[in-house]
Amino acid sequence: EVQLVESGGGLVQPGGSLRLSCAASGFTVSSNYMSWVRQAPGKGLEWVSVIYSGGSTYYADSVKGRFTISRDNSKNTLYLQMNSLRAEDTAVYYCARVGLDSTSFDYWGQGTLVTVSS
Amino acid sequence: SYELTQPPSVSVSPGQTARITCSGDALPKQYAYWYQQKPGQAPVLVIYKDSERPSGIPERFSGSSSGTTVTLTISGVQAEDEADYYCQSADSSGTYGVVFGGGTKLTVL
Repeated sequence: EVQLVESGGGLVQPGGSLRLSCAASGFTVSSNYMSWVRQAPGKGLEWVSVIYSGGSTYYADSVKGRFTISRDNSKNTLYLQMNSLRAEDTAVYYCARVGLDSTSFDYWGQGTLVTVSS
Repeated sequence: SYELTQPPSVSVSPGQTARITCSGDALPKQYAYWYQQKPGQAPVLVIYKDSERPSGIPERFSGSSSGTTVTLTISGVQAEDEADYYCQSADSSGTYGVVFGGGTKLTVL
């Protein structure tokens, strides 16, 4: 059974950093495209970043230069390093497996809340 | 940047048919996907590649495409279908990108 479990969220001050983790089971992270998607309170979904099975990474303009997606193959875990955090980064962050069509998200974690506030 | 436009809300009585639209200039060239999200839960993929249904999704969910508009149709709506629905497509303007519609709140009266 495919499972994704996020952790690492919490309260952080503006300008601070946080690293989110997403532990996967039931499949191999390194063999799939993996993404982070966020949802601000009461708002819609926003794609954040993707890492290809080959290692290439891409980011939404809103986080480019501040966030870094990575993975640890030995731990079958996806990460999102978030630096220079802003109030507008406050959201629930979901990790998601990208489907075979390279676009859809076929499995999602339960999400972890990041709050950026002083 | 590329945008997908959905109506903010749709209301329907139980047993009736709900139709949720999503418009975008690139939809004739890109597949659309639909997600259902209930309060406090992660999104669930209900339609992929415009009209395909993942295993485990009830047959009452269907998708269609016509020009710059895609439509999610829920036939014989049930109370449990009340949720937010998001369309999604690829953003072909750059190297890689994904765009979501703003979401539609489906209310079952």
